[in-house]
Amino acid sequence: GNSVTQMEGPVTLSEEAFLTINCTYTATGYPSLFWYVQYPGEGLQLLLKATKADDKGSNKGFEATYRKETTSFHLEKGSVQVSDSAVYFCALTTYNNNDMRFGAGTRLTVKP
Amino acid sequence: NAGVTQTPKFRILKIGQSMTLQCTQDMNHNYMYWYRQDPGMGLKLIYYSVGAGITDKGEVPNGYNVSRSTTEDFPLRLELAAPSQTSVYFCASSRDRGSNTEAFFGQGTRLTVV
Repeated sequence: GNSVTQMEGPVTLSEEAFLTINCTYTATGYPSLFWYVQYPGEGLQLLLKATKADDKGSNKGFEATYRKETTSFHLEKGSVQVSDSAVYFCALTTYNNNDMRFGAGTRLTVKP
Repeated sequence: NAGVTQTPKFRILKIGQSMTLQCTQDMNHNYMYWYRQDPGMGLKLIYYSVGAGITDKGEVPNGYNVSRSTTEDFPLRLELAAPSQTSVYFCASSRDRGSNTEAFFGQGTRLTVV
């Protein structure tokens, strides 16, 4: 079956530090990969996505590259801000499935 | 832009009580989902629907029921609340599945069963 494994948190960084959150997946078929972000008290919202191998998704300074050979979709940002503090979820879906599978989430706290 | 609206935002139930979590979307999406979010466990799919009149079980359906009489509404019913159902519940919708499946989420319902 499909599954997503995400690095465990929490992660605490200082402002302007480099961020990496690891995500690996197992899937039958050809998955699309997503990163969602959940700010305090809110629902999840899409941060970025990639739909085929070697695609790079990017948004708000965050990037992730779909690596089929390592079945990974790691999230990176070169310089984090306090406003990036949130919980980040890696997720996948495949066309032959009707649901989206989520990782456990990684809580990021950025300190001034 | 309303998007996906869930009510209530918070609820405390006693063991054995029942309740319905409401979910409405105004984007004319065919696909709707109910997830529960437990600490450190990510989101688990409870039920989903691919269109009005069609529902199916997800990973953790026991203790819940759903209906989809219209495209807009997808209520989740808890018949006999148990402490194990204490969680945060999210409703979501999407236009399609696969590569186009950006899911839009409601703000969540925090349910405590005591």
